[in-house]
Amino acid sequence: GQQLNQSPQSMFIQEGEDVSMNCTSSSIFNTWLWYKQDPGEGPVLLIALYKAGELTSNGRLTAQFGITRKDSFLNISASIPSDVGIYFCAGPPGGSQGNLIFGKGTKLSVKP
Amino acid sequence: ETGVTQTPRHLVMGMTNKKSLKCEQHLGHNAMYWYKQSAKKPLELMFVYNFKEQTENNSVPSRFSPECPNSSHLFLHLHTLQPEDSALYLCASSQGPGQFYGYTFGSGTRLTVV
Repeated sequence: GQQLNQSPQSMFIQEGEDVSMNCTSSSIFNTWLWYKQDPGEGPVLLIALYKAGELTSNGRLTAQFGITRKDSFLNISASIPSDVGIYFCAGPPGGSQGNLIFGKGTKLSVKP
Repeated sequence: ETGVTQTPRHLVMGMTNKKSLKCEQHLGHNAMYWYKQSAKKPLELMFVYNFKEQTENNSVPSRFSPECPNSSHLFLHLHTLQPEDSALYLCASSQGPGQFYGYTFGSGTRLTVV
């Protein structure tokens, strides 16, 4: 079936560093979503992208919808300890009506 | 109460037990979902309900039985589970199918089958 490939699987960074992660698919997506999951909690939506080439920011987070519509990127600038968690990309496969598929996530650890 | 609330937060059950997970949303959404989150695997969609009607069953074993009495409440009835069913079960809601911006998850129920 369709799947989303996220990389890297995990990252260990120093506080203040910038972070980049990406998500790729073998098929086209019309919507890309980025979620963060804190330990013991459900995923929380960070950014939603609806158009190829779109670049959207949410505070220190910036996400881009790749022009091929098969990838998306999430950047975090000047990381802080509370950025720790698992970041998931998600999207509805082409033609799907409301059912999201998720990547396996990128686990971010931030050293103070 | 706000958002999507799931109870219990933690559940330990034997393989012969019957238990139920509850999800309640106070967002006025019309669609509700059950997901399973296992270690090192992507979130797996289990069931979708839209206006109380089940619109998707993603090949889930019959030992998982969903119930949606109204648009605000969703249950997952569990019976004769296996140890490999241990996982975090997440409920989510959205305005409707295809409405992603308001797609909201609950905190999940951590299920352990012994």
